Amino acid sequence: QKEVEQDPGPLSVPEGAIVSLNCTYSNSAFQYFMWYRQYSRKGPELLMYTYSSGNKEDGRFTAQVDKSSKYISLFIRDSQPSDSATYLCAKAAGNKLTFGGGTRVLVKP
Amino acid sequence: EAQVTQNPRYLITVTGKKLTVTCSQNMNHEYMSWYRQDPGLGLRQIYYSMNVEVTDKGDVPEGYKVSRKEKRNFPLILESPSPNQTSLYFCASSPWWGSSYNEQFFGPGTRLTVL
Repeated sequence: QKEVEQDPGPLSVPEGAIVSLNCTYSNSAFQYFMWYRQYSRKGPELLMYTYSSGNKEDGRFTAQVDKSSKYISLFIRDSQPSDSATYLCAKAAGNKLTFGGGTRVLVKP
Repeated sequence: EAQVTQNPRYLITVTGKKLTVTCSQNMNHEYMSWYRQDPGLGLRQIYYSMNVEVTDKGDVPEGYKVSRKEKRNFPLILESPSPNQTSLYFCASSPWWGSSYNEQFFGPGTRLTVL
């Protein structure tokens, strides 16, 4: 079993819809949880990170962590075609980042 | 502009021919790392370095070497490449890696094909 599991998609939504992305993880000895966004032919870039259980908002993006069920989520409100990318969840402890496989998202105009 | 650069961006080579992928960062970061990205497997860490002359293995180090002689550079060396090393490679750096999280900045990637 992978330490971080993520549905590969693709997830196709119409412009303006809410995008909902999820990951599960299997080892609770981790402190931080992150979402990276990766455009085609580019390196990943950090979108959001959170430490504790609960929600964290940044503009149209909300990251949610439920440590009791080992579940992390990312919601994108009012999605735009420019949100089309691969979204990678990751967990970090000390000097180690462990990534999920990524979910490809396509927002259609 | 603060950035991580990698060269080459694309490389096609043959089995057994030694190659080096360079990585350089201009942010004075202490921590640097190499990842490979394969479909469905996400990013997997190959090697990392916490400072000059300090390197350690990640999850998939077999077949790779690294060195950190200068703070800004962290080359990835494949002494005898094999087809299973065909992948997309990313270099990343961050200011420091300790008990607190520090964002990792990724380079643009190097697509390597080993025939």
